Amino acid sequence: QSVLTQPASVSGSPGQSITISCTGTSGDVGAYNYVSWYQQHPGKAPKLVIYEVNSRPSGVSNRFSGSKSGSTASLTISGLQAEDEADYYCSSYSGVSIHSVFGTGTKVTVL
Amino acid sequence: EVQLVESGGGLLRPGGSLRLSCAASGFTFKNAWMIWVRQAPGKGLEWVGLIRTKNDGGTTDVAAPVKGRFTISRDDSDHIFYLEMNSLKTEDTAVYYCATHGDLYGAATLPYWGQGTLVTVSS
Repeated sequence: QSVLTQPASVSGSPGQSITISCTGTSGDVGAYNYVSWYQQHPGKAPKLVIYEVNSRPSGVSNRFSGSKSGSTASLTISGLQAEDEADYYCSSYSGVSIHSVFGTGTKVTVL
Repeated sequence: EVQLVESGGGLLRPGGSLRLSCAASGFTFKNAWMIWVRQAPGKGLEWVGLIRTKNDGGTTDVAAPVKGRFTISRDDSDHIFYLEMNSLKTEDTAVYYCATHGDLYGAATLPYWGQGTLVTVSS
């Protein structure tokens, strides 16, 4: 099954902003506004931080924001904090897969 | 509060079978599509499959790597759904998560996840 491409790692200092990209195709990210982002700490289940490209679930910090241009979606974390250090996965509904596809994952390191 | 609790994981030999369960509460189970996602050790998230509501036909879809070996079913009266795994391979070793969109989100969004159950396939 196809996957979405993310950078393997991104790092930043506390207080900085970082952006994670998620590149798909015209059959997934480019076709639908159903892009989600999940945060996963070691040994824990994924946690939804952004859905439908740029919406935040209740309780998620407004330091997390999402956007999309063409077949590439992005997650921006502003005011980086130590607790943001985790793996992040994008996901998009796909017209050619069983339902959705996940990204390859990005490890965020807070320096 | 939405809760998803997986059970049934364990250590199996290649070729073996196992059934995972996911007990759900806190949302209208019969109206929710239910999804299985897995994560091999040190690897990323991978869709395994889903089951639609009876209103949406109750049909299932499974990913290509497990097609013909894994089956998904649901019991709306007991609020449980299942992943039946047969002909297990070493590459099926992973933490298996159940997930759902619940009452407040569309089926493409997964705000609710279980804690995961580990399946290890090894000779």
